[in-house]
Amino acid sequence: AQSVTQPDIHITVSEGASLELRCNYSYGATPYLFWYVQSPGQGLQLLLKYFSGDTLVQGIKGFEAEFKRSQSSFNLRKPSVHWSDAAEYFCAVGPGTASKLTFGTGTRLQVTL
Amino acid sequence: SAVISQKPSRDICQRGTSLTIQCQVDSQVTMMFWYRQQPGQSLTLIATANQGSEATYESGFVIDKFPISRPNLTFSTLTVSNMSPEDSSIYLCSALDRDGYTFGSGTRLTVV
Repeated sequence: AQSVTQPDIHITVSEGASLELRCNYSYGATPYLFWYVQSPGQGLQLLLKYFSGDTLVQGIKGFEAEFKRSQSSFNLRKPSVHWSDAAEYFCAVGPGTASKLTFGTGTRLQVTL
Repeated sequence: SAVISQKPSRDICQRGTSLTIQCQVDSQVTMMFWYRQQPGQSLTLIATANQGSEATYESGFVIDKFPISRPNLTFSTLTVSNMSPEDSSIYLCSALDRDGYTFGSGTRLTVV
């Protein structure tokens, strides 16, 4: 069965600092990987996704993620965090393009000024 | 990517009543899903809404409690039946198109 682990429940960074949110997955084949962001009281917005090809994926709002098969990881990064990035971030994995997603437990990002 | 309109955005309901949540997608999509997000928790899949047939429910969720309809490729409803305070959650619909999975803005349900 597929699973996703986000080891960090809560992260606090200063505005302007770099950010890395960790995501580890368990799946037998090449997974489809996603990062979503959820602001308070809002739905989920897709930041980026990995299906195949280049393992470094660029997303919206200056985010990127790198797929590392050897480490079963898909960590999300941003070189300089803005106060508006404060939100909940979810990593998700799916076995293909026609199946359900499994979500991690989320990482809550707090940005200090 | 597809755009999903979900309504209502929030509601406060009396226990024992039912609420129907609607999701309208701006394009035809192959698959639609319904998720529940309990307070401070991640998303849990309730069911996959199948067009023209019965929904496929995940373990722990049953049709009598969460009946789902999907009459066409752009629309689906989820009903939360005979509600109790434990049903207080955010309910989100999702659609799968060629760009991936898109989510509605969610329905925040409070049962009192």
